[in-house]
Amino acid sequence: EAQVTQNPRYLITVTGKKLTVTCSQNMNHEYMSWYRQDPGLGLRQIYYSMNVEVTDKGDVPEGYKVSRKEKRNFPLILESPSPNQTSLYFCASSYVRGRDGYTFGSGTRLTVV
Amino acid sequence: AQSVTQPDIHITVSEGASLELRCNYSYGATPYLFWYVQSPGQGLQLLLKYFSGDTLVQGIKGFEAEFKRSQSSFNLRKPSVHWSDAAEYFCAVGPRDNYGQNFVFGPGTRLSVLP
Repeated sequence: EAQVTQNPRYLITVTGKKLTVTCSQNMNHEYMSWYRQDPGLGLRQIYYSMNVEVTDKGDVPEGYKVSRKEKRNFPLILESPSPNQTSLYFCASSYVRGRDGYTFGSGTRLTVV
Repeated sequence: AQSVTQPDIHITVSEGASLELRCNYSYGATPYLFWYVQSPGQGLQLLLKYFSGDTLVQGIKGFEAEFKRSQSSFNLRKPSVHWSDAAEYFCAVGPRDNYGQNFVFGPGTRLSVLP
């Protein structure tokens, strides 16, 4: 089944403790992206990647890192999480030519205390 | 600047009633157009998409949308709403030549369905 898999689904952590949210897709998509979703703010793009070793900042990149060493994986790294990064995170992927739209993961609900 | 507006933050309809969710976009050229649905606690699922041809497109779950170039609109409709349609709906646009460009999402419309 074609899908984007995110892990974990839920995560509670403490301020400053490094964490990684994994994202993997099995559709051979070139394009992958991370979004955060907050009430009243909709979906905001954090980082995206056009292909292996090619990443770029989205609208809200501060406090996040990404890497794209393999085509299928696009982990999101929070080196020193803070409470304002408490949010619902989505990974998405697509072919570079966007006529098929994004396929989204199921989301990761992160709470930073 | 590229943008997508969904004028209605929250809509409530009765089960069995018809539904129309509005979407307007501002873009340099006619983009690809999408509607996504997000059920509570779930990710976003693609409902339908438009990229060319017939301006009335059919999607899953009985939804349809009409592209009107003159109004830069892509409104979502359903003739008879079911209780299971209660969810958040996002309109999105994507460029036809995607290199280096990104999808733009609207702020979403939350749909409540009364029994």
